[in-house]
Amino acid sequence: AQSVTQLGSHVSVSEGALVLLRCNYSSSVPPYLFWYVQYPNQGLQLLLKYTSAATLVKGINGFEAEFKKSETSFHLTKPSAHMRDAAEYFCAVSPSGFQKLVFGTGTRLLVSP
Amino acid sequence: DSGVTQTPKHLITATGQRVTLRCSPRSGDLSVYWYQQSLDQGLQFLIQYYNGEERAKGNILERFSAQQFPDLHSELNLSSLELGDSALYFCASSVGDGEGSGNTIYFGEGSWLTVV
Repeated sequence: AQSVTQLGSHVSVSEGALVLLRCNYSSSVPPYLFWYVQYPNQGLQLLLKYTSAATLVKGINGFEAEFKKSETSFHLTKPSAHMRDAAEYFCAVSPSGFQKLVFGTGTRLLVSP
Repeated sequence: DSGVTQTPKHLITATGQRVTLRCSPRSGDLSVYWYQQSLDQGLQFLIQYYNGEERAKGNILERFSAQQFPDLHSELNLSSLELGDSALYFCASSVGDGEGSGNTIYFGEGSWLTVV
């Protein structure tokens, strides 16, 4: 079964610092990969998705992720963190041919002034 | 605003009771998904409907059931509630039904269920 593993349940950065949230996938076929963000008391919002068109995917709010098949990774990055980026981030995989999402356990991003 | 509407936003009920959660998908979306988010199990896929038909089933308990109506809104029925059913229940929608399309899935803000 396809799955994703998010390393680190919490990541703390200072405002202006690089954000790196890690996600590794397990899939026997080329997957569709997604990053969602959940702000406090809100639903899930799509940040970006990989659908094999390009390995470097740019999303909203300055985030991007790079699909690396050799490392089975899809890490999320942002060059400079803002206070408003504090939220929980979920990596997800959609098994090829189906649209249900299999989510990772989430990483809470804390941004300090 | 994703365009997916869920009601009620919050619900408190007693063990053994039955509740119904309602979802209106985005205009034009034919697929509706239900997910459960709890502290111990994380985000789990429950069930998907496409244009009124059940399309995929996940970790949905037998005490839970769902349906999608002709106007495409969906309801998730939870019965014989237990304390462990307390969770945030998300509805989501997308245009397609899969087939490797990678269509974007849009989530509602969820319905908080507390079982006491």
